[in-house]
Amino acid sequence: QVQLQESGPGLVKPSQTLSLTCTVSGGSISSGPYYWSWIRQPAGKGLEWIGRIYTSGSTNYNPSLKSRVTISIDTSKNQFSLKLSSVTAADTAVYYCARVNPGVGATYLDIWGQGTMVTVSS
Amino acid sequence: SYELTQPPSVSVSPGQTASITCSGDKLGDKYTSWYQQKPGQSPVLVIYKDSKRPSGIPERFSGSNSGNTATLTISGTQAMDEADYYCQAWDINTAVFGGGTKLTVL
Repeated sequence: QVQLQESGPGLVKPSQTLSLTCTVSGGSISSGPYYWSWIRQPAGKGLEWIGRIYTSGSTNYNPSLKSRVTISIDTSKNQFSLKLSSVTAADTAVYYCARVNPGVGATYLDIWGQGTMVTVSS
Repeated sequence: SYELTQPPSVSVSPGQTASITCSGDKLGDKYTSWYQQKPGQSPVLVIYKDSKRPSGIPERFSGSNSGNTATLTISGTQAMDEADYYCQAWDINTAVFGGGTKLTVL
């Protein structure tokens, strides 16, 4: 069964770029009609969608983060990645990767990683 | 931008029915998903396409969506159902989450 695992630095300095990778296991990232997504959650707060990528490289981003976000995919490594530039303390959060299942007429996030905590601090 | 509104908290007695609402402009024209998140854990999909249950989700979880409101219903609520619940819909290739509802079983 497909599993997702986030990885990357747990501490990033203000104004720098946050970089995270999600490794997909138990299946090929290229198989199926799936998109791959990033979501974040500040401590004690709700979920915020960051963006998604298709295996073709096509992306959609949250308009509120679009100017700072890049999501990429490496099918040879079965991974997709997140880069968030010019970070501030407001970007401190647990970051999740998830599979987006387009389903039949409906789209939903059916598999989630365990999440990784990223703190922005000097 | 599109917004989804949920009540911050809902309380229910064990064995009773809990209803969590999610409101948004013409939400009934979109498909809504629901996610359960317990403390320290990742979200889990409990309802998709308004009313479909993924494999492994108990039958006591059900959903509906009409007009401006989607509803997650938990029948015969159990203590293990105490969690945060988030609704989610898509608006022009952008995923939107509700603010979340803390379900307390007491």
